[in-house]
Amino acid sequence: GENVEQHPSTLSVQEGDSAVIKCTYSDSASNYFPWYKQELGKRPQLIIDIRSNVGEKKDQRIAVTLNKTAKHFSLHITETQPEDSAVYFCAVPRGWGGADGLTFGKGTHLIIQP
Amino acid sequence: KAGVTQTPRYLIKTRGQQVTLSCSPISGHRSVSWYQQTPGQGLQFLFEYFSETQRNKGNFPGRFSGRQFSNSRSEMNVSTLELGDSALYLCASRLDYNEQFFGPGTRLTVL
Repeated sequence: GENVEQHPSTLSVQEGDSAVIKCTYSDSASNYFPWYKQELGKRPQLIIDIRSNVGEKKDQRIAVTLNKTAKHFSLHITETQPEDSAVYFCAVPRGWGGADGLTFGKGTHLIIQP
Repeated sequence: KAGVTQTPRYLIKTRGQQVTLSCSPISGHRSVSWYQQTPGQGLQFLFEYFSETQRNKGNFPGRFSGRQFSNSRSEMNVSTLELGDSALYLCASRLDYNEQFFGPGTRLTVL
């Protein structure tokens, strides 16, 4: 089955600095790459996603980059703020287009230091 | 539009018992997936249903089962509960390919 490796498991950055989280996957047929944010005690929520026909997507302070050759994709958060503190999960679809659910990375606990 | 809802939100059971969890997807969504979340294993895929059919199942024992009704509501059942089944059980629904919307989860504690 699909394997997803996510690094780092914990990331502490100063408020205002940038944070980068990276995921690698094994199935070269994967074509959809979402990132979820889960705040303490809350449900995971999609924050950004990218499809395999583009290399980068941005949404305000958040961006995702995809390298299909190397089979990795990364989440970039710029100008970090206290409300960015959460656990972030990458995921890849288990089947074409995610028809069979998602395989998640183990998560990255992002800590924003004041 | 109402989001994904799950009942109950919290549940305490003892080893050997069975439990049924319920998930109501967003109106119009026909696909429902279930995930188990634990501190050690993270988010793990249990199964996915579409139009009352199970399309895929994750690497879990047969004690874990589910079903989906004609109104897209889904239930999952765990029989002969073990201590290791203590977890947050999340369901997610989606309209078409890809974006999944999660419910708040059911926190199951097995004593």
